[in-house]
Amino acid sequence: DAKTTQPTSMDCAEGRAANLPCNHSTISGNEYVYWYRQIHSQGPQYIIHGLKNNETNEMASLIITEDRKSSTLILPHATLRDTAVYYCIVNPLNFGNEKLTFGTGTRLTIIP
Amino acid sequence: DTEVTQTPKHLVMGMTNKKSLKCEQHMGHRAMYWYKQKAKKPPELMFVYSYEKLSINESVPSRFSPECPNSSLLNLHLHALQPEDSALYLCASSQGILRRVRTDNEQFFGPGTRLTVL
Repeated sequence: DAKTTQPTSMDCAEGRAANLPCNHSTISGNEYVYWYRQIHSQGPQYIIHGLKNNETNEMASLIITEDRKSSTLILPHATLRDTAVYYCIVNPLNFGNEKLTFGTGTRLTIIP
Repeated sequence: DTEVTQTPKHLVMGMTNKKSLKCEQHMGHRAMYWYKQKAKKPPELMFVYSYEKLSINESVPSRFSPECPNSSLLNLHLHALQPEDSALYLCASSQGILRRVRTDNEQFFGPGTRLTVL
């Protein structure tokens, strides 16, 4: 499985866009980029995933570079409730089971 | 219903006790997972069940015994645990794969059971 590299921690002002980078330089052609987050004392929560194209949903946008070696998760208008650990995970295409391997993630703190 | 429930929320047990953790989902998901999370660490996969059959065991010690009695339920039986097994145990589920066609397969996590072994 490809490994990911994320900054250990980041701060963002409330109401601003939070941009969380992730490097995955050894990603394979059939591997997706997934983002999950874990708010304190809760289970992880799925945010978004993508293969090649940029993706957007009601929670966030995912920008994947053309060479697929890095990506950025964007929370467009961060709120205090977005304070969490954000995990970038590269997941191979498995028929049957999804084996998520969590890295250390980025601890995002939203500042009032 | 997009919820994964886990019981109990907290569990304290001695090293000679036998206890079980329970996980339930009613989303029609056919893949279910157990993860272990130590304090200030990321979750680590323990077991994966696909269509009620154990498909992945990440070399977990035999004192942890998973069971999937039906497509909605996942249990983790605990016996002769050690203090270092104290952790948050997370259950998750996902759609699974039908007819080898990939579907959106994000995992839905429960809130976890916080286990303390004395």
